[in-house]
Amino acid sequence: AQKITQTQPGMFVQEKEAVTLDCTYDTSDPSYGLFWYKQPSSGEMIFLIYQGSYDQQNATEGRYSLNFQKARKSANLVISASQLGDSAMYFCAMREGVGAQKLVFGQGTRLTINP
Amino acid sequence: DGGITQSPKYLFRKEGQNVTLSCEQNLNHDAMYWYRQDPGQGLRLIYYSQIVNDFQKGDIAEGYSVSREKKESFPLTVTSAQKNPTAFYLCASRPTGGSGELFFGEGSRLTVL
Repeated sequence: AQKITQTQPGMFVQEKEAVTLDCTYDTSDPSYGLFWYKQPSSGEMIFLIYQGSYDQQNATEGRYSLNFQKARKSANLVISASQLGDSAMYFCAMREGVGAQKLVFGQGTRLTINP
Repeated sequence: DGGITQSPKYLFRKEGQNVTLSCEQNLNHDAMYWYRQDPGQGLRLIYYSQIVNDFQKGDIAEGYSVSREKKESFPLTVTSAQKNPTAFYLCASRPTGGSGELFFGEGSRLTVL
C-alpha cells in the first residue's frame, strides 16, 4: 500500500493566488514526521517545512504552511501569494517512528504558476 | 560552504558497463542515502548508511552496490545487472537526531545508450 499519496499530478495557479497541494499518508505508528520538499527544474531538492505527529500547531515557514489534519491523515501544503518562482515539483514525505532512518516520498505534484 | 557534492552531473554509459556515482559531504552527518528518481515520479530508496562501514538495502537495491569507507563519502555503483539504469540519482545526508530532514545534493543524471 502507498505510504504517501499525492493525488494531484499537476496544478495550474495564477500568480499571487494561494494554492493547496494535497498529501495523505498511511501509518500505524503514533510517532512520525511529515516533510515537504520543492524540486525546481534544476533537480535539487529543497526542504520547505516539517510537521511532527505530536506537534499541537500547524507548522509555518514564511509563505508556506502545513494544514495538518491528523484524524484524516492529511498534511496539505499551503503556499500563500504564489510567485512565478514557485513553479516546480513538490514532494510530500514521511518518516515513521522515533529515530527512523529513512523518508518515504510521494509521487509529487507539478505546480505551474501563470503570470 | 557546507554541503553535498555529487559528481558527475551528467553521465552516459553503454549497456553492460558499470558506472560509479560520487557523493561527498562536509556536513559531518552520520547517515547518507541514495535515491533514484524516474521522470515524473517520486524518489525511491536504493541504499542507506547510518555509520561508516555499514549500509542497508533500500526498496530497489538490485543491480546497485555501495561502500562507506569514510564518513564523508558514499559512492554508488550502478552495475550491468541493473536492468533499467537510466534515471536521476540523488544523494542525501542526515544529521543524528533532529526531525529526520534530509539534505540533498544536486543529483546525477545517468543515461544508458
